[in-house]
Amino acid sequence: GNSVTQMEGPVTLSEEAFLTINCTYTATGYPSLFWYVQYPGEGLQLLLKATKADDKGSNKGFEATYRKETTSFHLEKGSVQVSDSAVYFCVLSGNTPLVFGKGTRLSVIA
Amino acid sequence: NAGVMQNPRHLVRRRGQEARLRCSPMKGHSHVYWYRQLPEEGLKFMVYLQKENIIDESGMPKERFSAEFPKEGPSILRIQQVVRGDSAAYFCASSPEDNSPLHFGNGTRLTVT
Repeated sequence: GNSVTQMEGPVTLSEEAFLTINCTYTATGYPSLFWYVQYPGEGLQLLLKATKADDKGSNKGFEATYRKETTSFHLEKGSVQVSDSAVYFCVLSGNTPLVFGKGTRLSVIA
Repeated sequence: NAGVMQNPRHLVRRRGQEARLRCSPMKGHSHVYWYRQLPEEGLKFMVYLQKENIIDESGMPKERFSAEFPKEGPSILRIQQVVRGDSAAYFCASSPEDNSPLHFGNGTRLTVT
């Protein structure tokens, strides 16, 4: 079945550091891929998405490229801020309800 | 356009009581999903509903849990005879159609004492 594996946290970075959160997937067919973010005490918000191979999703300085050859969708940001502290979920959408990774907690310190 | 509304935000129940969690999807959204989040874990799919129909309940425990999405009114997730292991955050999400990005509510945090 479909599955998502993302790097375990927590990840702690200093402000302005470079961020990478790895995500790989297993799926049949041609799924869409998403990154959702959950700020403390809140629900999940869609951060970015990609619907086909080689698509790059981007939002708020975050980027992720849908790479079919490596079945990956790694999240990157060039310079993180304290306000980026949250839990990030890699998500796959195929012919089944969304499949979530376990989430990666990011803490950015000033 | 209001987002997905869940209530209550926090719910405390004693073992053996019933818990009712409500979810009003975004206007124009006819697909509703319920997910459960345990501490420090990802979201686990529970059930997918459209108006008056359960489409996929493969993630629902076989006993004590039920869900509905009536023609009028919010979707309800009902947990009968709660146990301590039911303590979790329950999130509702809605979408206008299948495989569209989901819009999440802020969740209901259930604590069973």
